Amino acid sequence: SYELTQPPSVSLAPGKTARITCGGDDIGSKSVHWYQQKPGQAPVMVIFHDNDRPSGIPERYSGSNSGNTATLTITRVEAGDEADYYCHVWDRSSEQYVFGTGTTVTVL
Amino acid sequence: EVQLVESGGAVGQPGGSLRLSCAASGFTFDDYTMHWVRQVPGKSLEWVSLISWDGGVTYSADSVKGRFTISRDNIKNFLYLQMDSLRSEDAALYFCVRGFSSSTIGSFDFWGQGTLVTVSS
Repeated sequence: SYELTQPPSVSLAPGKTARITCGGDDIGSKSVHWYQQKPGQAPVMVIFHDNDRPSGIPERYSGSNSGNTATLTITRVEAGDEADYYCHVWDRSSEQYVFGTGTTVTVL
Repeated sequence: EVQLVESGGAVGQPGGSLRLSCAASGFTFDDYTMHWVRQVPGKSLEWVSLISWDGGVTYSADSVKGRFTISRDNIKNFLYLQMDSLRSEDAALYFCVRGFSSSTIGSFDFWGQGTLVTVSS
């Protein structure tokens, strides 16, 4: 089955840039979506189709996808960005959706 | 305002059954593919099942295939998940989720708050 691997955690100071990776075999050929989940809340989509932002998501959030790695980038990180982040794809070969292992972003 | 409100979460016995429901409002329900996604507290998300806008296409995760059945009522604007042959590993918070469009392939653009399923004898 298809797997997506993310680093368990990313910690950084306010104002810095967070880069959260999502590794998967030839993920560059798939459309990647990203979700933010704060404690006790439902996930919220922050990036879809590799690098599109839903309305209401700040321009500080962006995405890229190539080869075996997709990346969610958050510039000028704020305390309000603290959350778990998950990548997400449709795996055509298995006809199933797959989520990444998740990354916890901590703002120091 | 888009709203997805799940219900039906409860304590189910191993080998038993539960039926989850999701009441949808604030959008044209039959314009969208719908999904169930689950999450064990403290763990990652796991996609469970999807149903196309008209109910004609369904897909399920291998972990629930043959045990869980997704369905929808486009008149009442409800999504359902029939969970049979429950296992301990089915215990999780179950989210009702709207797909980005009528296509079965795409992002998940709105999530309910979830309903909790516990499996215990």
